[in-house]
Amino acid sequence: GEDVEQSLFLSVREGDSSVINCTYTDSSSTYLYWYKQEPGAGLQLLTYIFSNMDMKQDQRLTVLLNKKDKHLSLRIADTQTGDSAIYFCAGYQGGKLIFGQGTELSVKP
Amino acid sequence: DVKVTQSSRYLVKRTGEKVFLECVQDMDHENMFWYRQDPGLGLRLIYFSYDVKMKEKGDIPEGYSVSREKKERFSLILESASTNQTSMYLCASSGSGTDEQYFGPGTRLTVT
Repeated sequence: GEDVEQSLFLSVREGDSSVINCTYTDSSSTYLYWYKQEPGAGLQLLTYIFSNMDMKQDQRLTVLLNKKDKHLSLRIADTQTGDSAIYFCAGYQGGKLIFGQGTELSVKP
Repeated sequence: DVKVTQSSRYLVKRTGEKVFLECVQDMDHENMFWYRQDPGLGLRLIYFSYDVKMKEKGDIPEGYSVSREKKERFSLILESASTNQTSMYLCASSGSGTDEQYFGPGTRLTVT
């Protein structure tokens, strides 16, 4: 089945760019998703990319998809302390979302 | 705005107790899901439901059961709570034909 992998931690300074990476094994997902979980809260959909796209930009967020390498990344420009959260990538398989382990982003002032 | 609510934010139960976690959504969504979240493991699917009175096992159903008597409500039941069920439990819902899931705020359950 689908396996989705992420590194667990990332620390950046305020104003820098953050890049969160994700690898997956199953290419059949029509969409790939990024969810954000703020401390003490549930998950919120941050952005998504259609599987036939290479890149999607949404304000400070850029999603890159490399289908050949099965690699997905989320870039946050001008990272702010309010971006501190856990970020999950997810693919869709068999009627279910398959989540990565989550990357905890820590933004230092 | 889609709203998914969970009955408790924090719950402390003793080993062996029967525990009910309730989830309600107000968007007439067909699909509802229960996950548990543990550090380093991400979200793991316990059970899901595509319709009233229907349920499907997820990846880790052992020790849990579910009930969906009404479309808007999906309950997770721990028949006899154990310490290894201490976790954050997240409920989600989605509409028919869409992948996007809307999450509740979570219930942090501690079993002592």
